[in-house]
Amino acid sequence: NAGVTQTPKFQVLKTGQSMTLQCAQDMNHEYMSWYRQDPGMGLRLIHYSVGAGITDQGEVPNGYNVSRSTTEDFPLRLLSAAPSQTSVYFCASSYSGINNNSPLHFGNGTRLTVT
Amino acid sequence: QKEVEQDPGPLSVPEGAIVSLNCTYSNSAFQYFMWYRQYSRKGPELLMYTYSSGNKEDGRFTAQVDKSSKYISLFIRDSQPSDSATYLCAMTLIQGAQKLVFGQGTRLTINP
Repeated sequence: NAGVTQTPKFQVLKTGQSMTLQCAQDMNHEYMSWYRQDPGMGLRLIHYSVGAGITDQGEVPNGYNVSRSTTEDFPLRLLSAAPSQTSVYFCASSYSGINNNSPLHFGNGTRLTVT
Repeated sequence: QKEVEQDPGPLSVPEGAIVSLNCTYSNSAFQYFMWYRQYSRKGPELLMYTYSSGNKEDGRFTAQVDKSSKYISLFIRDSQPSDSATYLCAMTLIQGAQKLVFGQGTRLTINP
């Protein structure tokens, strides 16, 4: 059972480059989300989706785009990377809205450095 | 001021000690409170989920919520080296919400 799979595990970008962080889950979860984790800031929500074709912004959406064409995949696109986007990015999914019976399942993260 | 404040530590205690981890928050509308455990180079995993004020116990772990003080705690009894991890508190306004607000995380080390 793979759970939430994130690729790549590590990435180094130059300022201005674009890239897509991949996220896939095999649990048939409707809800998927992207968080970034920075020292002293905890986890902050970037974008989330409550089902295929539906996305919405979280707390820190600027500089990122998402789409949800299938239930399984929720890619995060950086359009023009900036050093401020250096972070660890986590994808998470849940069966429905977050509750005790539908907790968030996290992937193991993508460590991104922008120089 | 952050909505959720958590002492980042690091916190180092001997094996067998009782550990107390805490978060304070400013939004009195938060109703659902969680604790996540995150091992190094891994994603967080849910440890405890509680609703409103009161205590919840699960094995060696007890979660406590005091809504009047806007303060939540996680207690770990008989701590083990395998409990060494970063512990993050999280909270949300309504059940079934998608937006969690996390604390900064406390890095805990249990020394054998």
